[in-house]
Amino acid sequence: AQSVAQPEDQVNVAEGNPLTVKCTYSVSGNPYLFWYVQYPNRGLQFLLKYITGDNLVKGSYGFEAEFNKSQTSFHLKKPSALVSDSALYFCAVRDPSGYSTLTFGKGTMLLVSP
Amino acid sequence: GAGVSQSPRYKVAKRGQDVALRCDPISGHVSLFWYQQALGQGPEFLTYFQNEAQLDKSGLPSDRFFAERPEGSVSTLKIQRTQQEDSAVYLCASSLGQGNILEQYFGPGTRLTVT
Repeated sequence: AQSVAQPEDQVNVAEGNPLTVKCTYSVSGNPYLFWYVQYPNRGLQFLLKYITGDNLVKGSYGFEAEFNKSQTSFHLKKPSALVSDSALYFCAVRDPSGYSTLTFGKGTMLLVSP
Repeated sequence: GAGVSQSPRYKVAKRGQDVALRCDPISGHVSLFWYQQALGQGPEFLTYFQNEAQLDKSGLPSDRFFAERPEGSVSTLKIQRTQQEDSAVYLCASSLGQGNILEQYFGPGTRLTVT
């Protein structure tokens, strides 16, 4: 069975500093990996995905994520955080073989202070 | 542009009542998903439609939960005889095709509170 772990409930960072939100996964074979962001009272918004190819994936709002197969990780990163980046971030995995459901982590709250 | 919409946004039901939650996916999107998000948790898969066909309902927690998409567009999630443990945000998502590589577009959710 596939699973996702987001080890940090909350990440605090000062505006202008780099940020990292951690994600590790478990799936048979090569995974499809996704990051979503959720703002209060709004649905999840797609940020980026890794399917194949370059391990560094660039997405919306200046976010990027690095796929590391040996460490089974897909950490979300941004070089310079903004206060407006404060939100709940979810990592998700999908098994590429046949049909599979999207499995989410429990989420990490990112708080960016001015 | 028009995204995924859900109604109602908030629903309060007394224990034992039936509720119906509506999802309008993005026009032309073949795949439609329902998720349940408990407080402080990530979304958990409930069911999946490809057009009007319900191809996976493995995540529905009990036979009190029923979903349909009769014409391959709008979908309704129905919960019969609601229980307190049904209190959660119910999210609907759609995607353009059926492939696992496609991202899903989510609606704002319906927050169900069972009293």
